[in-house]
Amino acid sequence: GNSVTQMEGPVTLSEEAFLTINCTYTATGYPSLFWYVQYPGEGLQLLLKATKADDKGSNKGFEATYRKETTSFHLEKGSVQVSDSAVYFCALNTGGFKTIFGAGTRLFVKA
Amino acid sequence: EADIYQTPRYLVIGTGKKITLECSQTMGHDKMYWYQQDPGMELHLIHYSYGVNSTEKGDLSSESTVSRIRTEHFPLTLESARPSHTSQYLCASSEWGEGAAYTQYFGPGTRLTVL
Repeated sequence: GNSVTQMEGPVTLSEEAFLTINCTYTATGYPSLFWYVQYPGEGLQLLLKATKADDKGSNKGFEATYRKETTSFHLEKGSVQVSDSAVYFCALNTGGFKTIFGAGTRLFVKA
Repeated sequence: EADIYQTPRYLVIGTGKKITLECSQTMGHDKMYWYQQDPGMELHLIHYSYGVNSTEKGDLSSESTVSRIRTEHFPLTLESARPSHTSQYLCASSEWGEGAAYTQYFGPGTRLTVL
């Protein structure tokens, strides 16, 4: 079946450090891939997405590239800020009603 | 601007009470969802709807029920709340169509505590 695996947290970084959160997936067909972010006390919101192989999604300094050969969609940011502290979810959708979410990775950024 | 609303945001209630968690969206989306989010953050799909008069159970068994009488409204009801129902409940909606890439839009959540 379809699944998403993302690195366990928490991830703790100092401000301005480089961030990578790994995400790999298993899916039949050609899924769309997403990163969602959840700030404390809020629901999830879309951070970025990619709909086909080699697409790069980007938003707010975050980037992720859809790598079909490695079935990966790793999230990166060159310089994190304290305000980036949140939980990040990798997700996929194969064109149906259901989106498959990873377990979430909590990021703490220290000033 | 995507708008999806949930009320109440926080609810503390005693065992045995009947509760309804409200969810409304103004985007005209056909598909709507309820997720339960545990303290470890993982999301569990408990109900979904394809449209008006359509409701289905999700992956995680839940004693709650839902209804979809209007496109914009997808309330969740617990007939008799128990401490095991204590959790965060997230409502979401999505568009139908390849162009939207099935992005989900989430409400802010209801944090339910049953004493």
